[in-house]
Amino acid sequence: QVQLQESGPGLVKPSETLSLTCTVSGGSVSSGSYYWSWIRQPPGKGLEWIGYIYYSGSTNYNPSLKSRVTISVDTSKNQFSLKLSSVTAADTAVYYCASTPGEYFQHWGQGTLVTVSS
Amino acid sequence: AIRITQSPSSLSASTGDRVTITCRASQGISSYLAWYQQKPGKAPKLLIYAASTLQSGVPSRFSGSGSGTDFTLTISCLQSEDFATYYCQQYYSYPLITFGQGTRLEIK
Repeated sequence: QVQLQESGPGLVKPSETLSLTCTVSGGSVSSGSYYWSWIRQPPGKGLEWIGYIYYSGSTNYNPSLKSRVTISVDTSKNQFSLKLSSVTAADTAVYYCASTPGEYFQHWGQGTLVTVSS
Repeated sequence: AIRITQSPSSLSASTGDRVTITCRASQGISSYLAWYQQKPGKAPKLLIYAASTLQSGVPSRFSGSGSGTDFTLTISCLQSEDFATYYCQQYYSYPLITFGQGTRLEIK
């Protein structure tokens, strides 16, 4: 059973870059069986897909965030990462990482709350 | 962009009830639809993908149907652990994946 765990700062200042890492266990990011995704959920609101990466490094991003998002993968550490630049209060959310076998989200991390505030 | 509209936005029901939640897509999405359950403070859980395929380990009281623009999630006999928020998600317009706004299922 694939398990995922998000990690990173819980507080980011406006205009700075949000950085999160997802550590995968029970499976390999290099297996080719999954894409690896980031999804976020503002407090009390719905879900928004951010983007995903394949082990080869191929990525796809939500067009609404594309100019600010970078997702990368580190196969040696069995991790993938999210960077979101120029953050504002609107980026305050619970950020989830997930395994994606076919553009839907099968296994999810527990989520991590990131607050954007000075 | 394909819009997904879920209805109702909230629903009250009792244990043992049969409940149906609907998602309507603004254009045809074939069967590229998934359903998730989310409990407060927890990550969403995949219930159904490809409109009607039950994810392994999900109880058989959950079922999905539909294709094209209209989809339903049915819970045949509500259990106490089923009270949660439910989301649908379309993945037809890859790579733009979008979710419905959610349906909150509450105890009557």
